[in-house]
Amino acid sequence: NAGVTQTPKFQVLKTGQSMTLQCAQDMNHNSMYWYRQDPGMGLRLIYYSASEGTTDKGEVPNGYNVSRLNKREFSLRLESAAPSQTSVYFCASRAWGQTQYFGPGTRLLVL
Amino acid sequence: SQQGEEDPQALSIQEGENATMNCSYKTSINNLQWYRQNSGRGLVHLILIRSNEREKHSGRLRVTLDTSKKSSSLLITASRAADTASYFCATDGHDYKLSFGAGTTVTVRA
Repeated sequence: NAGVTQTPKFQVLKTGQSMTLQCAQDMNHNSMYWYRQDPGMGLRLIYYSASEGTTDKGEVPNGYNVSRLNKREFSLRLESAAPSQTSVYFCASRAWGQTQYFGPGTRLLVL
Repeated sequence: SQQGEEDPQALSIQEGENATMNCSYKTSINNLQWYRQNSGRGLVHLILIRSNEREKHSGRLRVTLDTSKKSSSLLITASRAADTASYFCATDGHDYKLSFGAGTTVTVRA
């Protein structure tokens, strides 16, 4: 059981470049989430998918898009990266009303 | 917006002492969860307490929940250097997502 996996672990982008962060879970969870965490701060929800086939905006969705590819996979896309998107990105999943499991994070630096 | 708010923001204690942190929230919840984050790592789940429970234990951790006051506390007893981390509370409402607080940073001094 790998839990929640994220790729890549680290990425450097130039302003205006695009990239997709990948996330997969093997726990058969309904819901998946993308957060960002800036230094010394808590988690801010970017997008979430309550169940396969649905996605919803969180607190800070601007500049991001998501795809719930299937029950296992939930990707986050930055179409045109900006320095303000420099952050650590965490993917998470859970069954409704239960514990949430987090991936190890992706550190993104936008120059 | 963040529903859960932790207090204090930071806590420094001596090894062996107890550490207590609090979480307040605003709206009704199904459950409340506590997580730990070691520097640079993902969050790890500690305890889930349901709205009809008042207290829960796990090893050296004790969590209380007072729904009338909309507050929870996390107590770590006999702290160790390995307990140095940030601790977050998260409220589980009725909308499929958890709301996280900004966290309490705990430093355990040897």
